[in-house]
Amino acid sequence: NAGVTQTPKFQVLKTGQSMTLQCAQDMNHNSMYWYRQDPGMGLRLIYYSASEGTTDKGEVPNGYNVSRLNKREFSLRLESAAPSQTSVYFCASSEQGHGTQYFGPGTRLLVL
Amino acid sequence: KQEVTQIPAALSVPEGENLVLNCSFTDSAIYNLQWFRQDPGKGLTSLLLIQSSQREQTSGRLNASLDKSSGRSTLYIAASQPGDSATYLCAVQGGSEKLVFGKGTKLTVNP
Repeated sequence: NAGVTQTPKFQVLKTGQSMTLQCAQDMNHNSMYWYRQDPGMGLRLIYYSASEGTTDKGEVPNGYNVSRLNKREFSLRLESAAPSQTSVYFCASSEQGHGTQYFGPGTRLLVL
Repeated sequence: KQEVTQIPAALSVPEGENLVLNCSFTDSAIYNLQWFRQDPGKGLTSLLLIQSSQREQTSGRLNASLDKSSGRSTLYIAASQPGDSATYLCAVQGGSEKLVFGKGTKLTVNP
C-alpha cells in the first residue's frame, strides 16, 4: 500500500517548456487535490477533483490544467512554464470531500 | 475570504517540555480543522482532524482543541521529544472541499 505517489521527484524546465506532473493513489479515494507550496505563501490549492470526471478550480489555477484520468490518477499540466511556477507541488487525496487528506512526497520544480 | 494564522512562526524548546501551538481563522463557518506535520523536504502527514461539532481530539501525546465561535484551535504536545521537531500546519475546510492552510509553526526540540 504505497498511499499517494508522485512523479517526477525533481524537474528542471526552461521557460516556455511544457510538462505533466503525475499523481496516483491506491486507497480508492474519491477526491484528489493539487497544491503548490512556496516560501512565505504556505500551501495553496491549484485544482481539485471531487470524483472521477469532475475538476474544479482552487485558489491559484492560472497557468495549469488538470486531468482526472480515472479514480486512481490525477495529473497536473503546465503548458508553457514560467519562472513564477517554480515551486514544490503536492498531490493529496481523501476518501470523501470533508475527510482527512493524505499527501504525496512532492515534486520540486525549477523553471529557469 | 478565509484566512488562517499560526503563532508563533518558530518555537524552540528543551526536551520534555509541554507546549502549545496556536491557530486562528477568520470565518467560523468551517466544516473541520486539520493539523499536519511536515518534515524538511517531505510531504505532509495528517495528525488530527476535528469536526466542527467537536471540541477536541487526542492522539497519543497530541491533543487538539477547537473553539469554533472564537475562531481558534490549539495543538498541545506533551513531553516533547527531539523527534517532534518539524513544521506544524493548521488547515480549515469550509463547505467546499478547499483546505485553507496557515503558514505553519517550525518547532525545534533540543536534546
